[in-house]
Amino acid sequence: EIVMTQSPATLSVSPGERATLSCRASQSVSSNLAWYQQKPGQAPRLLIYGASTRATGIPARFSGSGSGTEFTFTISSLQSEDFAVYYCQQYNIWPFTFGPGTKVDIK
Amino acid sequence: QVQLQESGPGLVKPSGTLSLTCAVSGGSISSRNWWSWVRQPPGKGLEWIGEIYHIGNTNYNPSLKSRVTISVDKSKNHFSLKLTSVTAADTAVYYCASRSWHFDYWGQGTLVTVSS
Repeated sequence: EIVMTQSPATLSVSPGERATLSCRASQSVSSNLAWYQQKPGQAPRLLIYGASTRATGIPARFSGSGSGTEFTFTISSLQSEDFAVYYCQQYNIWPFTFGPGTKVDIK
Repeated sequence: QVQLQESGPGLVKPSGTLSLTCAVSGGSISSRNWWSWVRQPPGKGLEWIGEIYHIGNTNYNPSLKSRVTISVDKSKNHFSLKLTSVTAADTAVYYCASRSWHFDYWGQGTLVTVSS
């Protein structure tokens, strides 16, 4: 099983600032990596797939990069609605696995 | 746009069987998608349970494989999850989701509590 790790566990950011999240895979997942946003009481929402492609309707302030084992997710200028938990997930090899999440909260 | 809706009992007794159904609307379950189940224990992260293709091919998480069955009913445009021999550790919000490669559509989730 591929183990996904995320850092930091919590990121405190002021509105308007940039947030950078990291995700690492225990072995290469090529570019088969997605990022999801989850708010309390809601299902995860797809933001990025293929490591860097924004899903339909996702604002340009969200971006992703990386391949292999190292990935980065960036929110260029945090809006109030962006405070949430973010998960990375690999879909390169079964079983599909998620990272433990990074909580982005208000500084 | 595909919409998914989970349904099933919210309370299951220990050693019993958890049974959930996911109704698919806005699209045919016989599309090219895989149909998945993902769960999330309260306050914790996401765990992929398994998936099914409309012709019946399945993939399961090895950690749950001995207890899980996922099936599809094309006539009703829905798919189902059965998890046997449940314990308190199976208490979670259960989501159904569709997958082309990544999980692009999700149900709202349903909380299942295992308790006597």
